[in-house]
Amino acid sequence: GDSVTQMEGPVTLSEEAFLTINCTYTATGYPSLFWYVQYPGEGLQLLLKATKADDKGSNKGFEATYRKETTSFHLEKGSVQVSDSAVYFCALTDTGGFKTIFGAGTRLFVKA
Amino acid sequence: NAGVTQTPKFQVLKTGQSMTLQCAQDMNHNSMYWYRQDPGMGLRLIYYSASEGTTDKGEVPNGYNVSRLNKREFSLRLESAAPSQTSVYFCASSESSAVQYFGPGTRLTVT
Repeated sequence: GDSVTQMEGPVTLSEEAFLTINCTYTATGYPSLFWYVQYPGEGLQLLLKATKADDKGSNKGFEATYRKETTSFHLEKGSVQVSDSAVYFCALTDTGGFKTIFGAGTRLFVKA
Repeated sequence: NAGVTQTPKFQVLKTGQSMTLQCAQDMNHNSMYWYRQDPGMGLRLIYYSASEGTTDKGEVPNGYNVSRLNKREFSLRLESAAPSQTSVYFCASSESSAVQYFGPGTRLTVT
C-alpha cells in the first residue's frame, strides 16, 4: 500500500540556518503531496502542496518539489526562525482524494 | 467561521467506560475524518466519511464506532475504553482539493 517515510528527528538548528527535511513516498497512480505543520497544542495545518510531477509548492519561505523520478518531496527553507519550531508532517493523498497517508513527523527545534 | 471544532479538549476515562468525541465543521465539506496521534507514529486514520450518509474503516478502527450525523457533524464513540486508546484524537474535513483542515484535538487518557 501507499506509504510515506520522512527523516527522524528531532532536528536542532540555529536561527538563520538552512533546513532540509527529507521525505520519500511509495504510491500507485499519481498522488498529491503535502507538508503539514503542527505547532504545540494545536492541530495540523497545511504548509504547502504539489499536485503533479515537477510542481513546486511554497509558503512562508518553505519550498518542496514533487520529484516523481526519485519519489521524493523534501522540505527546504533557506533561513529558519525560532518561530518555525514545530513538528512537520509529509503526506500524500491517493488518486481518489479521500484518504491521506501521513509520515511519522519530524520535530524541529530552532535556537536563538 | 470557526473551521473544525472538537469537544471535549481533554478527557480522563477509566478502563471500560464509554464516551463520544464530537466534531463539527462549518466549511460545507463533504468528507470528514478521525485520526489518532501517538508519539513516533504520525497520524493513523480510524474512520472516515467520504460524504454524508457513508462511513468507512481506516487503518485502526477496532474499538471505535462513528456516526455521520449530518453534513456538519461526525462523532467518534469508544464503547469500552482501554489504556491502549490513550492518545490525541483529531477530526478533519476536506473537499475536492484533498487539503485537510484539522480541529484542535482531544487529549484522552484511559487509566
